[in-house]
Amino acid sequence: DAGVIQSPRHEVTEMGQEVTLRCKPISGHDYLFWYRQTMMRGLELLIYFNNNVPIDDSGMPEDRFSAKMPNASFSTLKIQPSEPRDSAVYFCASSFERFYYEQYFGPGTRLTVT
Amino acid sequence: GENVEQHPSTLSVQEGDSAVIKCTYSDSASNYFPWYKQELGKGPQLIIDIRSNVGEKKDQRIAVTLNKTAKHFSLHITETQPEDSAVYFCAAPLISNFGNEKLTFGTGTRLTIIP
Repeated sequence: DAGVIQSPRHEVTEMGQEVTLRCKPISGHDYLFWYRQTMMRGLELLIYFNNNVPIDDSGMPEDRFSAKMPNASFSTLKIQPSEPRDSAVYFCASSFERFYYEQYFGPGTRLTVT
Repeated sequence: GENVEQHPSTLSVQEGDSAVIKCTYSDSASNYFPWYKQELGKGPQLIIDIRSNVGEKKDQRIAVTLNKTAKHFSLHITETQPEDSAVYFCAAPLISNFGNEKLTFGTGTRLTIIP
């Protein structure tokens, strides 16, 4: 298996622009997680899905952030409009329902908002 | 709120020596404790985990110990090698302020193996 796939790997954008991050989970995994990693706050869970349904989005910082999972093999995290404080590495992870906490992470997307 | 504390934040060890990283957690109901290794430019990778029904688990040079009474668990790496240099994260499932159980990560330990 190719593992969790994320794109793009790097994104540089200007403040106010819309940013869309993409994730393909490991085939057969029931759970998908979006995390954000910064030096100041460490690794934070933003939102997670179970069988394509959002379960907990309490970690989403504000209304500028939204996430979707239209099918079992694809999810997006969108920031609109982007701000410099959104600069971070965003990770997608997935897991089997039976082993919910055994999460497999993608390589991440490094987002820089200028 | 519920959290996971991890120490030390940085650790330098001579190649061949052992390294120990410690974590404490606050939710006594937590029952699963994974450790992740993150190399530069990559995502965290699960390297070992332990469940609350055992006190120790080993996998080659890596071992994890758990003390449920004291609510702490540790990662032990023996015979360290240069490729062990990375940032290590502990984690535990904690109940969030919204009542959901989430895997909560420690703040990370940057381990450097000195050749």
